[in-house]
Amino acid sequence: NAGVTQTPKFQVLKTGQSMTLQCAQDMNHEYMSWYRQDPGMGLRLIHYSVGAGITDQGEVPNGYNVSRSTTEDFPLRLLSAAPSQTSVYFCASSEGLAGRETQYFGPGTRLLVL
Amino acid sequence: DAKTTQPNSMESNEEEPVHLPCNHSTISGTDYIHWYRQLPSQGPEYVIHGLTSNVNNRMASLAIAEDRKSSTLILHRATLRDAAVYYCILEPGGSQGNLIFGKGTKLSVKP
Repeated sequence: NAGVTQTPKFQVLKTGQSMTLQCAQDMNHEYMSWYRQDPGMGLRLIHYSVGAGITDQGEVPNGYNVSRSTTEDFPLRLLSAAPSQTSVYFCASSEGLAGRETQYFGPGTRLLVL
Repeated sequence: DAKTTQPNSMESNEEEPVHLPCNHSTISGTDYIHWYRQLPSQGPEYVIHGLTSNVNNRMASLAIAEDRKSSTLILHRATLRDAAVYYCILEPGGSQGNLIFGKGTKLSVKP
């Protein structure tokens, strides 16, 4: 199993550009989520999904869109990048509800918005 | 949401036990206590979790106070590879189960 994979590992964007951060898992997990981590801070939840076709907002959803068309993939879209979105983004998955099951995290995507 | 309080940083010597404390005085009866750690430049990694009873696994032990208002993560023999930020997290009972991360404790291990 590859576990949770994320691409790209690093990206530089200009303000106003759009991009999609990819996340995939091969463990057949129902629950997937996206977090961001700013320097010296803990992780904050952006969006999550409890299964294909179902998504919901987390703590900091503004400026981000998600969709879940398959169990394996959970892409995160930045529609119009802003410097405030400079951060490290982590995708995670778990077999069931995040709090009751072990969450598996990807290696992260470092995003710099100029 | 119930919050946790952890020391910002701790130091340990290699091969010695480490006790990482966490206070959660507003914990509710259905909140699970989770510990994750994050090694430098990596995503968080699950360590252990529990509800009321003490828990052991191959990585660590979790000691939960009788009133559940505090807990301690115990690394029995610290190694240099255990240097990481350790997060104590409460799962909000009755919610979708999303984990709420604080700033954690940065553990340094000296050889």
